[in-house]
Amino acid sequence: GQNIDQPTEMTATEGAIVQINCTYQTSGFNGLFWYQQHAGEAPTFLSYNVLDGLEEKGRFSSFLSRSKGYSYLLLKELQMKDSASYLCAVMLPNRLAFGKGNQVVVIP
Amino acid sequence: DAGVIQSPRHEVTEMGQEVTLRCKPISGHNSLFWYRQTMMRGLELLIYFNNNVPIDDSGMPEDRFSAKMPNASFSTLKIQPSEPRDSAVYFCASSAGGDTQYFGPGTRLTVL
Repeated sequence: GQNIDQPTEMTATEGAIVQINCTYQTSGFNGLFWYQQHAGEAPTFLSYNVLDGLEEKGRFSSFLSRSKGYSYLLLKELQMKDSASYLCAVMLPNRLAFGKGNQVVVIP
Repeated sequence: DAGVIQSPRHEVTEMGQEVTLRCKPISGHNSLFWYRQTMMRGLELLIYFNNNVPIDDSGMPEDRFSAKMPNASFSTLKIQPSEPRDSAVYFCASSAGGDTQYFGPGTRLTVL
């Protein structure tokens, strides 16, 4: 089976930095995706890592360590609109396996 | 560019009724995925198609669920008969060659 773990919820202050962790144990690995999902909306693509290291895209960065089965999403300069659920998903052969998501609440 | 289109956006039905959810993938995408999302279980893959052919339906919960993709621009997910535990948000997603998946807005299904 596939096991993808994320903390369920965290609260952070506007302007701060927050790190969202994801650990995985899966049969197969072709890369790791991060998606953002606002309440009542569809998941939207944020980032994709296939090699170890840090990928930076504006205020968002994603890190991957394949040997440790670990990834994190770093959100900098938090804005109120960043309040959402953040889902990590492991690319298996031909399909994605999602974690349950980490709900981030941004407070003023 | 139109994204993935799903209909209806909301569906309320009574237990035992047939429910049909519809999806139009992004033009040119050759993979289509049906997901179900609940608070308890998160986002679960039900079935996916590659070039209109079902590849993996191991996530389909039981025989009451069926999915078809008669052509590259249309897919349906049918539940017959529906039960209250089927209440969830059903997402359709598409991708080009197994790359990044793009999700439709979802159908919120409530079975009374």
